[in-house]
Formats: sequence, structure tokens, C-alpha cells
Amino acid sequence: NAGVTQTPKFQVLKTGQSMTLQCAQDMNHEYMSWYRQDPGMGLRLIHYSVGAGITDQGEVPNGYNVSRSTTEDFPLRLLSAAPSQTSVYFCASSYSDPQGHGNTIYFGEGSWLTVV
Amino acid sequence: AQSVAQPEDQVNVAEGNPLTVKCTYSVSGNPYLFWYVQYPNRGLQFLLKYITGDNLVKGSYGFEAEFNKSQTSFHLKKPSALVSDSALYFCAVRGYSGAGSYQLTFGKGTKLSVIP
Repeated sequence: NAGVTQTPKFQVLKTGQSMTLQCAQDMNHEYMSWYRQDPGMGLRLIHYSVGAGITDQGEVPNGYNVSRSTTEDFPLRLLSAAPSQTSVYFCASSYSDPQGHGNTIYFGEGSWLTVV
Repeated sequence: AQSVAQPEDQVNVAEGNPLTVKCTYSVSGNPYLFWYVQYPNRGLQFLLKYITGDNLVKGSYGFEAEFNKSQTSFHLKKPSALVSDSALYFCAVRGYSGAGSYQLTFGKGTKLSVIP
């Protein structure tokens, strides 16, 4: 029972490099999202998707790109890494849009990213 | 704009004593309220939620929370704390953000330390 799986768990990038954080869920959830967690800031929504082929911006989308070609996968791309993107990233999913229906969100284990 | 406040960055409690982690919110319309727990180097795990009905909500691991509409609060409680309850706790609220859409906002988190 995998749930939400994120890779890699740890990554160090140089400023200007690009990379993709992978996220997959096996619960057939329609809604998937990416959050970043910073000390004293709680969780902030980066991008979200309400279904395959549909994505939208959250609170802090700049510097990130997403796509949703399948129900299961929702990768997050850092286009040109900056030190301000040093953070812990969480992928999450739920049966439908939790912002509209109060459904429980399931989180991945997190990806620790450091940009030097 | 809606908001969630967790007024205490850290709460310390002795093992066996009751614990309370505070949360207050500000939203338009009827709120959906959530508590999540994060253990070190892990993702967030769902504890409980309030959608409607009884103001006292019971959740996982013996936790409960009381919805108080007049005080706009949703404090997390447990009658007898365990050392294993030591973790970071997040309150979240879903509220109406206008134009037919809703927003889910997380608090900044409260670190709970249970002292043996």
C-alpha cells in the first residue's frame, strides 16, 4: 500500500541547475498538489492539479513548473534553481479537490532540497 | 483573506498530563478544519477534521478537537500525553475565497514536546 511516493528524498543542486521532483500516487486520486515547507512559514501551495491534463498555480508558483499527463504522476520541475528554493517539498493527493469538499489530503514523505 | 493562527511555536508537557495545542482561524463562510501531525523527517499525517455536526471531533491516536464557532477556535487535545506524541502539529482551514472557489490554508505549526 504505497500511497504517495516522492523521489528523491534528498538532493543538492547548484544555482542555475534544473531538476525534477517525482511524485506518484496509487490511490486513483483526482487531486494532486505540491507544497513547500519552510521554518516558521507552515506549508505553502506551489501548484495543484484537479485531474489529468489540468494544472493551476497556488500561492508560490514562481520558478516551478508542473504537468499532469496521467492520474498517477505529478512531477515538479525547478527550471533554474535558486538558493531561495532551498526547502522541503511535499507532494499530496486527495480523492477530489480538498479545497472544495474537505476531503483528507495524503502526503508523501518529503524531498529535502538544498540549492548552493 | 483567510488565516490560521497557531499562537504557540512550542508546547512542552509532562508525560501523562493532558495536552492542548491551540488553533484559531479567520474565514468567510462555514469552515472545514483539519489537524495534521508531522514526525521528524516524515510527511504530514491526517489526525482529524471537522466538517459539520458535533463540535467535539475524535481522531487518531486518542486525539480530539473542539470546534468553537464563537471563539473561532479548533484546539487539539489529548487527555494523557505520551512521549511518542512529540511531533510538529499543523492546523488547517478551508474557507470560501470568493468567486465560487475555496482555499485551504495551513498554520505555521506547533512543536509538541512530551517530557518523560
